[in-house]
Amino acid sequence: AQSVTQPDIHITVSEGASLELRCNYSYGATPYLFWYVQSPGQGLQLLLKYFSGDTLVQGIKGFEAEFKRSQSSFNLRKPSVHWSDAAEYFCAVGPNSGGYQKVTFGIGTKLQVIP
Amino acid sequence: GAVVSQHPSRVICKSGTSVKIECRSLDFQATTMFWYRQFPKQSLMLMATSNEGSKATYEQGVEKDKFLINHASLTLSTLTVTSAHPEDSSFYICSAVPSGGILAKNIQYFGAGTRLSVL
Repeated sequence: AQSVTQPDIHITVSEGASLELRCNYSYGATPYLFWYVQSPGQGLQLLLKYFSGDTLVQGIKGFEAEFKRSQSSFNLRKPSVHWSDAAEYFCAVGPNSGGYQKVTFGIGTKLQVIP
Repeated sequence: GAVVSQHPSRVICKSGTSVKIECRSLDFQATTMFWYRQFPKQSLMLMATSNEGSKATYEQGVEKDKFLINHASLTLSTLTVTSAHPEDSSFYICSAVPSGGILAKNIQYFGAGTRLSVL
Protein backbone atom coordinates (compact mmCIF):
# COMPACT_ATOMS: atom_id res chain seq x y z
CA ALA A 1 0.00 0.00 0.00
CA GLN A 2 1.15 3.50 -0.72
CA SER A 3 1.55 6.07 2.05
CA VAL A 4 2.84 9.59 2.53
CA THR A 5 4.47 11.14 5.58
CA GLN A 6 4.76 14.85 6.11
CA PRO A 7 6.68 15.06 9.37
CA ASP A 8 6.14 18.77 9.95
CA ILE A 9 2.57 19.69 10.86
CA HIS A 10 3.32 23.38 11.19
CA ILE A 11 6.23 25.52 9.99
CA THR A 12 6.88 29.21 10.53
CA VAL A 13 9.33 31.15 8.37
CA SER A 14 10.16 34.80 7.94
CA GLU A 15 9.25 36.50 4.71
CA GLY A 16 12.21 36.34 2.35
CA ALA A 17 13.69 33.26 4.00
CA SER A 18 14.10 29.96 2.23
CA LEU A 19 11.64 27.13 2.71
CA GLU A 20 11.80 23.37 2.61
CA LEU A 21 8.78 21.16 3.30
CA ARG A 22 9.50 17.50 3.78
CA CYS A 23 7.68 14.58 2.23
CA ASN A 24 8.51 10.91 2.44
CA TYR A 25 6.57 8.23 0.66
CA SER A 26 6.20 4.50 0.71
CA TYR A 27 5.55 2.74 -2.56
CA GLY A 28 6.84 -0.41 -4.18
CA ALA A 29 7.94 1.11 -7.47
CA THR A 30 8.50 4.55 -8.94
CA PRO A 31 5.44 6.56 -8.05
CA TYR A 32 3.72 9.62 -9.34
CA LEU A 33 4.36 12.43 -6.84
CA PHE A 34 2.49 15.68 -6.36
CA TRP A 35 2.51 18.79 -4.23
CA TYR A 36 -0.74 20.70 -3.77
CA VAL A 37 -1.43 23.95 -1.93
CA GLN A 38 -4.66 24.81 -0.16
CA SER A 39 -5.61 28.30 0.98
CA PRO A 40 -8.14 28.57 3.83
CA GLY A 41 -11.61 27.48 2.76
CA GLN A 42 -10.44 26.62 -0.73
CA GLY A 43 -9.80 23.53 -2.81
CA LEU A 44 -6.35 22.28 -3.74
CA GLN A 45 -4.16 23.77 -6.42
CA LEU A 46 -1.45 21.71 -8.08
CA LEU A 47 2.01 23.21 -7.51
CA LEU A 48 4.06 20.60 -9.32
CA LYS A 49 4.30 16.93 -10.15
CA TYR A 50 6.87 14.25 -10.85
CA PHE A 51 6.14 11.44 -13.27
CA SER A 52 9.54 10.57 -14.72
CA GLY A 53 12.74 12.09 -16.09
CA ASP A 54 14.55 14.97 -14.44
CA THR A 55 14.34 14.51 -10.69
CA LEU A 56 14.29 18.26 -10.03
CA VAL A 57 10.86 19.54 -10.90
CA GLN A 58 9.88 23.16 -11.32
CA GLY A 59 6.40 24.29 -10.43
CA ILE A 60 4.27 27.37 -10.23
CA LYS A 61 4.82 30.31 -7.86
CA GLY A 62 8.59 29.71 -7.75
CA PHE A 63 8.39 26.29 -6.08
CA GLU A 64 10.53 23.30 -6.92
CA ALA A 65 10.80 19.77 -5.62
CA GLU A 66 13.41 17.07 -5.89
CA PHE A 67 12.67 13.37 -6.16
CA LYS A 68 15.26 11.31 -4.32
CA ARG A 69 14.63 7.64 -4.85
CA SER A 70 17.28 6.51 -2.36
CA GLN A 71 15.60 8.50 0.39
CA SER A 72 12.00 7.99 -0.78
CA SER A 73 11.58 11.72 -0.53
CA PHE A 74 10.03 14.51 -2.55
CA ASN A 75 10.76 17.69 -0.61
CA LEU A 76 9.31 21.02 -1.69
CA ARG A 77 11.52 24.10 -1.73
CA LYS A 78 11.32 27.79 -2.38
CA PRO A 79 14.34 30.11 -2.16
CA SER A 80 12.46 33.16 -0.88
CA VAL A 81 9.04 32.96 0.75
CA HIS A 82 6.38 35.60 0.23
CA TRP A 83 3.59 36.38 2.68
CA SER A 84 1.09 35.09 0.12
CA ASP A 85 2.65 31.62 0.40
CA ALA A 86 1.02 31.14 3.80
CA ALA A 87 -1.26 28.13 3.27
CA GLU A 88 -1.44 24.39 3.79
CA TYR A 89 0.69 22.16 1.61
CA PHE A 90 -0.11 18.56 0.79
CA CYS A 91 2.20 15.96 -0.68
CA ALA A 92 0.55 13.09 -2.55
CA VAL A 93 1.64 9.80 -4.09
CA GLY A 94 -0.02 7.68 -6.74
CA PRO A 95 0.81 4.60 -8.78
CA ASN A 96 2.83 5.10 -11.94
CA SER A 97 0.58 2.91 -13.98
CA GLY A 98 0.06 4.90 -17.15
CA GLY A 99 -3.59 5.44 -16.40
CA TYR A 100 -5.17 7.17 -13.46
CA GLN A 101 -5.62 5.59 -10.06
CA LYS A 102 -6.27 6.90 -6.62
CA VAL A 103 -3.63 8.99 -4.94
CA THR A 104 -2.87 9.13 -1.25
CA PHE A 105 -2.41 12.48 0.48
CA GLY A 106 -0.20 13.32 3.40
CA ILE A 107 -1.61 15.03 6.46
CA GLY A 108 -0.42 18.42 5.29
CA THR A 109 2.01 21.07 6.51
CA LYS A 110 0.65 24.42 7.51
CA LEU A 111 3.01 27.25 6.57
CA GLN A 112 2.95 30.50 8.49
CA VAL A 113 4.92 33.46 7.14
CA ILE A 114 5.92 36.22 9.51
CA PRO A 115 6.98 39.72 8.40
CA GLY B 1 -7.92 25.55 -18.53
CA ALA B 2 -8.76 22.78 -16.06
CA VAL B 3 -11.39 24.60 -14.05
CA VAL B 4 -13.59 22.65 -11.67
CA SER B 5 -16.61 24.43 -10.27
CA GLN B 6 -18.18 23.25 -7.05
CA HIS B 7 -21.53 24.56 -5.85
CA PRO B 8 -22.62 25.65 -3.34
CA SER B 9 -19.54 26.91 -1.55
CA ARG B 10 -21.35 26.97 1.75
CA VAL B 11 -24.63 25.47 2.92
CA ILE B 12 -26.41 25.42 6.24
CA CYS B 13 -29.27 23.01 6.70
CA LYS B 14 -31.47 21.54 9.39
CA SER B 15 -30.92 18.06 10.70
CA GLY B 16 -32.85 15.48 8.69
CA THR B 17 -32.81 17.34 5.40
CA SER B 18 -30.87 16.39 2.28
CA VAL B 19 -28.22 18.51 0.60
CA LYS B 20 -26.94 18.23 -2.96
CA ILE B 21 -23.47 19.38 -3.95
CA GLU B 22 -22.52 19.77 -7.60
CA CYS B 23 -19.09 19.32 -9.16
CA ARG B 24 -18.61 20.48 -12.74
CA SER B 25 -15.59 20.36 -14.99
CA LEU B 26 -16.03 23.56 -16.98
CA ASP B 27 -13.53 23.18 -19.79
CA PHE B 28 -12.77 19.49 -19.99
CA GLN B 29 -14.49 16.15 -19.82
CA ALA B 30 -13.97 13.89 -16.86
CA THR B 31 -14.90 10.24 -16.86
CA THR B 32 -13.65 10.02 -13.29
CA MET B 33 -14.33 12.38 -10.43
CA PHE B 34 -13.53 11.99 -6.76
CA TRP B 35 -15.29 13.12 -3.62
CA TYR B 36 -13.31 13.89 -0.49
CA ARG B 37 -14.15 14.91 3.01
CA GLN B 38 -11.77 17.05 5.01
CA PHE B 39 -11.91 17.40 8.77
CA PRO B 40 -10.33 20.40 10.49
CA LYS B 41 -6.56 20.24 10.54
CA GLN B 42 -6.57 16.91 8.71
CA SER B 43 -5.87 15.65 5.25
CA LEU B 44 -8.37 14.72 2.60
CA MET B 45 -10.26 11.51 3.14
CA LEU B 46 -11.38 9.89 -0.07
CA MET B 47 -15.07 9.04 0.14
CA ALA B 48 -15.79 7.66 -3.29
CA THR B 49 -14.79 7.46 -6.91
CA SER B 50 -17.46 8.69 -9.28
CA ASN B 51 -17.49 7.11 -12.75
CA GLU B 52 -19.56 8.53 -15.56
CA GLY B 53 -22.38 6.23 -16.51
CA SER B 54 -21.79 3.69 -13.77
CA LYS B 55 -22.12 3.29 -10.04
CA ALA B 56 -19.73 5.03 -7.76
CA THR B 57 -17.10 3.10 -5.87
CA TYR B 58 -17.17 3.87 -2.17
CA GLU B 59 -14.27 3.63 0.24
CA GLN B 60 -14.50 1.36 3.22
CA GLY B 61 -16.59 2.86 5.99
CA VAL B 62 -18.46 5.32 3.79
CA GLU B 63 -22.21 4.76 3.76
CA LYS B 64 -23.35 4.71 0.16
CA ASP B 65 -26.99 5.13 1.11
CA LYS B 66 -26.15 8.29 3.00
CA PHE B 67 -23.79 9.81 0.45
CA LEU B 68 -25.46 9.36 -2.91
CA ILE B 69 -23.28 10.02 -5.93
CA ASN B 70 -24.50 10.53 -9.45
CA HIS B 71 -22.22 11.08 -12.44
CA ALA B 72 -24.71 11.46 -15.23
CA SER B 73 -22.53 13.31 -17.72
CA LEU B 74 -18.86 13.78 -18.55
CA THR B 75 -18.85 17.17 -16.86
CA LEU B 76 -21.07 16.77 -13.81
CA SER B 77 -21.03 14.71 -10.67
CA THR B 78 -23.30 15.29 -7.70
CA LEU B 79 -23.02 14.28 -4.07
CA THR B 80 -26.22 14.19 -2.05
CA VAL B 81 -25.97 13.98 1.70
CA THR B 82 -29.24 12.37 2.71
CA SER B 83 -30.89 12.93 6.07
CA ALA B 84 -28.00 15.05 7.19
CA HIS B 85 -27.01 15.13 10.85
CA PRO B 86 -24.62 17.41 12.72
CA GLU B 87 -21.85 14.82 12.48
CA ASP B 88 -22.00 15.19 8.69
CA SER B 89 -20.86 18.79 9.03
CA SER B 90 -17.56 19.02 7.20
CA PHE B 91 -15.71 20.41 4.20
CA TYR B 92 -16.43 18.40 1.07
CA ILE B 93 -14.13 18.67 -1.94
CA CYS B 94 -14.46 17.19 -5.40
CA SER B 95 -11.84 16.63 -8.04
CA ALA B 96 -11.93 15.66 -11.69
CA VAL B 97 -9.46 13.80 -13.90
CA PRO B 98 -9.40 14.78 -17.59
CA SER B 99 -10.39 11.98 -19.91
CA GLY B 100 -9.46 13.56 -23.22
CA GLY B 101 -8.03 16.60 -24.91
CA ILE B 102 -4.75 18.26 -24.18
CA LEU B 103 -4.85 18.12 -20.40
CA ALA B 104 -2.77 15.52 -18.62
CA LYS B 105 -4.88 12.50 -17.91
CA ASN B 106 -3.31 11.58 -14.61
CA ILE B 107 -3.78 14.75 -12.58
CA GLN B 108 -6.66 15.68 -10.35
CA TYR B 109 -8.12 19.17 -10.63
CA PHE B 110 -9.97 20.29 -7.54
CA GLY B 111 -13.07 22.29 -6.86
CA ALA B 112 -13.04 25.00 -4.21
CA GLY B 113 -14.96 22.87 -1.73
CA THR B 114 -18.30 23.06 0.04
CA ARG B 115 -18.63 23.86 3.73
CA LEU B 116 -21.64 21.95 5.08
CA SER B 117 -23.05 22.89 8.45
CA VAL B 118 -25.92 20.82 9.81
CA LEU B 119 -27.84 22.38 12.67
